[in-house]
Amino acid sequence: GENVEQHPSTLSVQEGDSAVIKCTYSDSASNYFPWYKQELGKGPQLIIDIRSNVGEKKDQRIAVTLNKTAKHFSLHITETQPEDSAVYFCAASQGTSYGKLTFGQGTILTVHP
Amino acid sequence: DSGVTQTPKHLITATGQRVTLRCSPRSGDLSVYWYQQSLDQGLQFLIHYYNGEERAKGNILERFSAQQFPDLHSELNLSSLELGDSALYFCASSPTSGAGNGEAFFGQGTRLTVV
Repeated sequence: GENVEQHPSTLSVQEGDSAVIKCTYSDSASNYFPWYKQELGKGPQLIIDIRSNVGEKKDQRIAVTLNKTAKHFSLHITETQPEDSAVYFCAASQGTSYGKLTFGQGTILTVHP
Repeated sequence: DSGVTQTPKHLITATGQRVTLRCSPRSGDLSVYWYQQSLDQGLQFLIHYYNGEERAKGNILERFSAQQFPDLHSELNLSSLELGDSALYFCASSPTSGAGNGEAFFGQGTRLTVV
């Protein structure tokens, strides 16, 4: 089955800096790659996603890039703010069931004021 | 607020017992997914229902079962509970099992503690 590896496990940045989280996946059949943000005591919240026919997608301070050949994708957060502090998960899925996800292990992002 | 409602928020029960977790999907969503989140295993897919029918199973134990009712709400039944079943259980819903905007939205979860 699919395996998703996520790095780093923890990331500490100063407010205003950029943060990058990287994931690799194993199954070339995967075609949908969402990123979720999870705050303490809450469920994962979808923040951005990308499909395999697209190389890059941006939404304000957040961007995701996908390299299908290398089977890796990354989350970029620019101009980080303290409220960006949370656990971030990458995930991958195949076919058309976008909710049947294989998640990475998560990255704890801390943004220091 | 994702629009997905899970009850109860917290549940404490003893080993050997049986519990039922409930999920109400977003209005109009036909797909419901169940996930387990634990410190050692991370977020793990358990099972997917679409419009009342089981569509996919993940690493779901035989002691666990789920169903989706005609009104589209879903229940996850956990029986013969063990200490290791203590975890957060999330439900997610998405509009369709087909192609298109099928992004999954998660509820706030049920924290299960088995003592």
